[in-house]
Amino acid sequence: AQSVAQPEDQVNVAEGNPLTVKCTYSVSGNPYLFWYVQYPNRGLQFLLKYITGDNLVKGSYGFEAEFNKSQTSFHLKKPSALVSDSALYFCAVRDMRAPAFYSGNTGKLIFGQGTTLQVKP
Amino acid sequence: DGGITQSPKYLFRKEGQNVTLSCEQNLNHDAMYWYRQDPGQGLRLIYYSQIVNDFQKGDIAEGYSVSREKKESFPLTVTSAQKNPTAFYLCASSMGLNTDTQYFGPGTRLTVL
Repeated sequence: AQSVAQPEDQVNVAEGNPLTVKCTYSVSGNPYLFWYVQYPNRGLQFLLKYITGDNLVKGSYGFEAEFNKSQTSFHLKKPSALVSDSALYFCAVRDMRAPAFYSGNTGKLIFGQGTTLQVKP
Repeated sequence: DGGITQSPKYLFRKEGQNVTLSCEQNLNHDAMYWYRQDPGQGLRLIYYSQIVNDFQKGDIAEGYSVSREKKESFPLTVTSAQKNPTAFYLCASSMGLNTDTQYFGPGTRLTVL
């Protein structure tokens, strides 16, 4: 079964320091991996995704993520955190071995439970 | 939030009432989705639709219904059969099903009084 784990409910970091938000996944086939950010009472905003190719993916607002197949991880990183980065972050995975909707397998996104990032001045 | 709109932003319902949440997109996307978000539980898929006039149940479809009569619209009805409807509801859309990114609307917060 597909699953995503975000082992930290909350990550605290000082402004200007590097940040890492952790994500590990479990799929049967090749994973498609996504990071989203959510500000209070708002929808999710897409940050970046890994489909194939370079293991280091660059996304919006200076964020990047590193795909590590051997460790089944897709950690989100930023070299220098901003107070405005404080938000709820979600990792999501889609198992690309899963066939399309009409075969009975949704190929849906599975979301982690989210990690709250708190950046302090 | 891009080209996806959800209304209303806040909705209050009395027990036993059905309510309908609106979701409209102008992105020309084929696929649309409804998720439910509860604190500490991430997002759970309620229903999804690949094309017009077709939709499928997700993981937690009981007590919900949808329709997809137009490409740009995917309304969700929360029926009185849904035992714990208080939650934040998110609509999303994507161009297709495979590698395409899902883009989310701003959400509707439903509270049952």
